[in-house]
Amino acid sequence: KAGVTQTPRYLIKTRGQQVTLSCSPISGHRSVSWYQQTPGQGLQFLFEYFSETQRNKGNFPGRFSGRQFSNSRSEMNVSTLELGDSALYLCASSLGSHDTEAFFGQGTRLTVV
Amino acid sequence: AQTVTQSQPEMSVQEAETVTLSCTYDTSESDYYLFWYKQPPSRQMILVIRQEAYKQQNATENRFSVNFQKAAKSFSLKISDSQLGDAAMYFCAYKRGGSEKLVFGKGMKLTVNP
Repeated sequence: KAGVTQTPRYLIKTRGQQVTLSCSPISGHRSVSWYQQTPGQGLQFLFEYFSETQRNKGNFPGRFSGRQFSNSRSEMNVSTLELGDSALYLCASSLGSHDTEAFFGQGTRLTVV
Repeated sequence: AQTVTQSQPEMSVQEAETVTLSCTYDTSESDYYLFWYKQPPSRQMILVIRQEAYKQQNATENRFSVNFQKAAKSFSLKISDSQLGDAAMYFCAYKRGGSEKLVFGKGMKLTVNP
């Protein structure tokens, strides 16, 4: 059974640009959550999607957005990139029934220069 | 708001020895779950062990076991017979029942010395 797949693995962008990250969950999983990991702030929850609907959202500015497709694949978008957006972005998938554990992808390392 | 605290940023252990990683949390909820995740240099978060708050029995997974003290809001991880492959960042995490959102501690770097 394939795990959670995140693409791309590495990304370098310039300030002001926008970026789209992709996450393919484990087959059968309907919930996808996104986290930002930085040395200073640690792991912070961005948002969660379930059956194409955003079910929960963290405390991030509106420049951070996401969506989920009918096949449960999810994308997150960051517009008007800032240097502080440099981070490891992790995606996690789960069945979505709240009592099951989340499985993580290997992350996308975003560097903003 | 729920918080998770890992007070020790780094620890080291000799191979084959036992080490305990500490974690405390704060919540007013009665329905919640606690987890320990391992993040090796490959960056992928790997679930080590989970504990349901309603279960009094401490969870165990092979060499990994927890000491769940609900009244004290403490959730420590014990690694027995430490192996070189156990070297990684370890994160304690909390999830409220009915939510997928994980709240993580700051993490702790474990070094295993041969």
